[in-house]
Amino acid sequence: DTAVSQTPKYLVTQMGNDKSIKCEQNLGHDTMYWYKQDSKKFLKIMFSYNNKELIINETVPNRFSPKSPDKAHLNLHINSLELGDSAVYFCASNDRGSGNTIYFGEGSWLTVV
Amino acid sequence: DAKTTQPTSMDCAEGRAANLPCNHSTISGNEYVYWYRQIHSQGPQYIIHGLKNNETNEMASLIITEDRKSSTLILPHATLRDTAVYYCIVRPRNSGNTPLVFGKGTRLSVIA
Repeated sequence: DTAVSQTPKYLVTQMGNDKSIKCEQNLGHDTMYWYKQDSKKFLKIMFSYNNKELIINETVPNRFSPKSPDKAHLNLHINSLELGDSAVYFCASNDRGSGNTIYFGEGSWLTVV
Repeated sequence: DAKTTQPTSMDCAEGRAANLPCNHSTISGNEYVYWYRQIHSQGPQYIIHGLKNNETNEMASLIITEDRKSSTLILPHATLRDTAVYYCIVRPRNSGNTPLVFGKGTRLSVIA
């Protein structure tokens, strides 16, 4: 069973479009994250949510808007896509109360052309 | 910023032990040492973590020096599938929803 799942796995889109990446975790965790891994392979935190509430926003452009309909889901919506948004986006989760281990999804490869 | 220092890359012969060092000289008393790895085209994978005692699980062993300023991740019998980037990360004990901060990691190449 996939613990943290992301869709789509691959996405190719044109500049200026709006797209969303969805994330779901079935671990019962209360905290979810979005990370970005660019072409230089650096993994950087973008957002974290706890029980649907935004906790961390690491100076990400406001074209990126996370949405958490419930604590098992954290979706990432990106408006007006730019070439520099091309990257791999990883969703992750953990349970603040019972453990610190963070579990990651398999990534969503976004290519903006 | 990452609070750890790791070699950029290492090679290991298949079947031999892979010993990956990590320096965390500024670690504080309430911080754990975590190890993750990222196999090509996959998400980061949790390996092991520890506070001050040595730890072992089905994947690896973690040896932490007595002063806690450095540690070594040991893969006892490396296989080709262990080729990956390995990240050593320090994180507060009760970090709750504090995210992991990744450095550059060590690229381990297991060679047949």
